[in-house]
Amino acid sequence: RKEVEQDPGPFNVPEGATVAFNCTYSNSASQSFFWYRQDCRKEPKLLMSVYSSGNEDGRFTAQLNRASQYISLLIRDSKLSDSATYLCVVKGVGNYGQNFVFGPGTRLSVLP
Amino acid sequence: GAVVSQHPSWVICKSGTSVKIECRSLDFQATTMFWYRQFPKQSLMLMATSNEGSKATYEQGVEKDKFLINHASLTLSTLTVTSAHPEDSSFYICSARRRGGLAGEWDNEQFFGPGTRLTVL
Repeated sequence: RKEVEQDPGPFNVPEGATVAFNCTYSNSASQSFFWYRQDCRKEPKLLMSVYSSGNEDGRFTAQLNRASQYISLLIRDSKLSDSATYLCVVKGVGNYGQNFVFGPGTRLSVLP
Repeated sequence: GAVVSQHPSWVICKSGTSVKIECRSLDFQATTMFWYRQFPKQSLMLMATSNEGSKATYEQGVEKDKFLINHASLTLSTLTVTSAHPEDSSFYICSARRRGGLAGEWDNEQFFGPGTRLTVL
């Protein structure tokens, strides 16, 4: 089983739609969780950290369920500029807790 | 925010040649940098952790003699792909973590360089 799993998509949604992505992780000792965004042929950029209590940043809401070992990202009122690949990232316990394990990413296309 | 640069941004080389990629932290000191590789439509895979002043730590399956890492200063790590072959063609990305805050604790975030696209003919 892979350490971090995501539905690769693509998710094709119209502008203004609400879309949700899920991510599961296998290591229950994982410490920190993030969503990164990666545009085509670019480096990943941090979208938001994911906190146990859930957190919101504008149109983006992240949730963590430690018991079920999954993380979610909700995007409301999708914009064309949201089109990208969304990477679920888990900071693990290997390498003195420095290892960041990337999921395969979920591709989102927001259509006009 | 912290800035990490990479050079070159893209390189095309003949099979059998060696290619050096530089990763620099521009406005902070990075005692630890990470090297990733990303094949098309796949996620980032950690290759190695580069530690300033000591040997790099390689992930399982990554040949340390083929991917030479040198982290000679607090702001520079280099990855040399030796005797490159077409199957080494990939997007290589470095990242760095930064110490900050009053207690000098690690940032939770990794700061990524813009990546280097390597094509081996």
